[in-house]
Amino acid sequence: QQQVKQSPQSLIVQKGGISIINCAYENTAFDYFPWYQQFPGKGPALLIAIRPDVSEKKEGRFTISFNKSAKQFSLHIMDSQPGDSATYFCAASRGNYGQNFVFGPGTRLSVLP
Amino acid sequence: DTAVSQTPKYLVTQMGNDKSIKCEQNLGHDTMYWYKQDSKKFLKIMFSYNNKELIINETVPNRFSPKSPDKAHLNLHINSLELGDSAVYFCASSSADRGSNQPQHFGDGTRLSIL
Repeated sequence: QQQVKQSPQSLIVQKGGISIINCAYENTAFDYFPWYQQFPGKGPALLIAIRPDVSEKKEGRFTISFNKSAKQFSLHIMDSQPGDSATYFCAASRGNYGQNFVFGPGTRLSVLP
Repeated sequence: DTAVSQTPKYLVTQMGNDKSIKCEQNLGHDTMYWYKQDSKKFLKIMFSYNNKELIINETVPNRFSPKSPDKAHLNLHINSLELGDSAVYFCASSSADRGSNQPQHFGDGTRLSIL
């Protein structure tokens, strides 16, 4: 119930293409769904987040699509760039002090020049 | 002016030793966390700490203990280190608002290697 599943495990995209990463969760009590980006040797950094009262959120080239009934959400990176090459984590959380923060297993994205 | 800073960045030590990792945040947050990232990049929360309230992940061995001298610091003490403790440990912080999650800000990690 606490798991967040993420796919694909790795993704290779050509420069200018669209990168799509999918996540699914079981616990309907989750009410916050962030995406984190991690570069080698660095900590995860918040990229974009969504709450379940909206179905889509866009920030620049990054868009989260959220399907509450299917308990799925996805990250779309438009016009992917080599600088986007990193590991991406989806996460889900509910209430209180974040102790119920659960990360997906991560997707390693490589954008070819 | 790093928001969440951890020291040391690298820690190499022998099995059986006791070690500490320090974490400081200058964001004014009142909740801090420790995460373990294994070799497969899987991130798992170990502790969250808010206003003296410690929430422990029950899978964390009691050899691991967080210590918070004040709201801006949450250090991690590890006793009797084992080979399986080798990982990258991340400290994070957030502003806690009961019932409303806030994003977590991570440090750059401490890579712990047990010989």
